[in-house]
Amino acid sequence: QVQLQESGPGLVKPSGTLSLTCAVSGGSISSSNWWSWVRQPPGKGLEWIGEIYHSGSTNYNPSLKSRVTISVDKSKNQFSLKLSSVTAADTAVYYCAKGPVNDYMEYYYGMDVWGQGTTVTVSS
Amino acid sequence: DIQMTQSPSTLSASVGDRVTITCRASQSISSWLAWYQQKPGKAPKLLIYKASSLESGVPSRFSGSGSGTEFTLTISSLQPDDFATYYCQQYNSFPRTFGQGTKVEIK
Repeated sequence: QVQLQESGPGLVKPSGTLSLTCAVSGGSISSSNWWSWVRQPPGKGLEWIGEIYHSGSTNYNPSLKSRVTISVDKSKNQFSLKLSSVTAADTAVYYCAKGPVNDYMEYYYGMDVWGQGTTVTVSS
Repeated sequence: DIQMTQSPSTLSASVGDRVTITCRASQSISSWLAWYQQKPGKAPKLLIYKASSLESGVPSRFSGSGSGTEFTLTISSLQPDDFATYYCQQYNSFPRTFGQGTKVEIK
């Protein structure tokens, strides 16, 4: 059973860069999954940030695209999120999740495994 | 972006009630829709994928239906563990978007 665990600083200064890592255990990051980041501001709903395949292919939310980079490190079996020029509006719980693809390489199942989430506060 | 609109935003119900939540897409998403359950302080949990397929391990009282632009999540007999917030999500096109959520409260 694949498990995901987010890690990174809980406090980031305004205009700085938010950096988070998601460690994958119980499976390989080179398996047939899209690896995603989703965030949830306090008391609000879910926002999809973007995703990466082990090949390095990425898809980003256009609303964040200019500030987001998602990368994969196969040697460490993990993937990462960097969000630059942060403001208080980026304060949220950040989740990593995986979305399996089927035999036809279709994103078929939604996001079936999630990390527990990590709270990031943007404040000076 | 495809907008996902859930109704109602809040629902008060009793144990044993049949509960239905609706999710409407601003354009057709075929059947590329998932439903998630989220409890306070916890990560979302996948319930339904491809609009009507039950995720492994999810109780059979949960069911999903619909295609195109209108979808429903039904809980046939509400249990104490089901009081939570429910989100729909489309994965037909980018960006993948969520509904605003439906909170199911105890009546």
